[in-house]
Amino acid sequence: GAVVSQHPSRVICKSGTSVKIECRSLDFQATTMFWYRQFPKQSLMLMATSNEGSKATYEQGVEKDKFLINHASLTLSTLTVTSAHPEDSSFYICSARAQGHPNTEAFFGQGTRLTVV
Amino acid sequence: AQSVTQLDSQVPVFEEAPVELRCNYSSSVSVYLFWYVQYPNQGLQLLLKYLSGSTLVKGINGFEAEFNKSQTSFHLRKPSVHISDTAEYFCAVMMPRETSGSRLTFGEGTQLTVNP
Repeated sequence: GAVVSQHPSRVICKSGTSVKIECRSLDFQATTMFWYRQFPKQSLMLMATSNEGSKATYEQGVEKDKFLINHASLTLSTLTVTSAHPEDSSFYICSARAQGHPNTEAFFGQGTRLTVV
Repeated sequence: AQSVTQLDSQVPVFEEAPVELRCNYSSSVSVYLFWYVQYPNQGLQLLLKYLSGSTLVKGINGFEAEFNKSQTSFHLRKPSVHISDTAEYFCAVMMPRETSGSRLTFGEGTQLTVNP
């Protein structure tokens, strides 16, 4: 089956620093990738949708300059949390839609636990 | 816009008992429906999905769900649960004509806890 890998799985950073999270499709080409944020005991909230080679589309209320998304290739998307603060601590999950697969298929990464201290 | 409501935030059951996790949705157009499972500190795994056709959908790990258009529901069931089924379960919808593709709207989740 299609595999999506996120790295790192856990990261702790100091307030004011930036953190980059990678999302890779290991055995397929991902034309579209999605970034979600999940607070403890809550659901997934879509942050942005990115298509390879174009700018990401952000959901209302998501700061574009704070959460930088790059989808430079068909197998890699990155989310950079800039100038992180404790309130950015959360579980971030990516998912990817495979080129050639039905658009009902979304494969999820294992998530990244970000803690800002 | 579509929305998803999972009626129970927590469902405790004993091992080998049957379980039903309830999901209702709201949409002005036809939607695709999904159930995902999330184990602690992990991503989501697809259990099953309804796109069209038979309203009873069978998924992995012995789960099944029934699409009921008149009641706008898509409840998840398993006749006999195991300890290993303890996890968070999410119901989700997708609009077939969604131009951004595979954009899912999730419910709030139901924590299933299977006790020995």
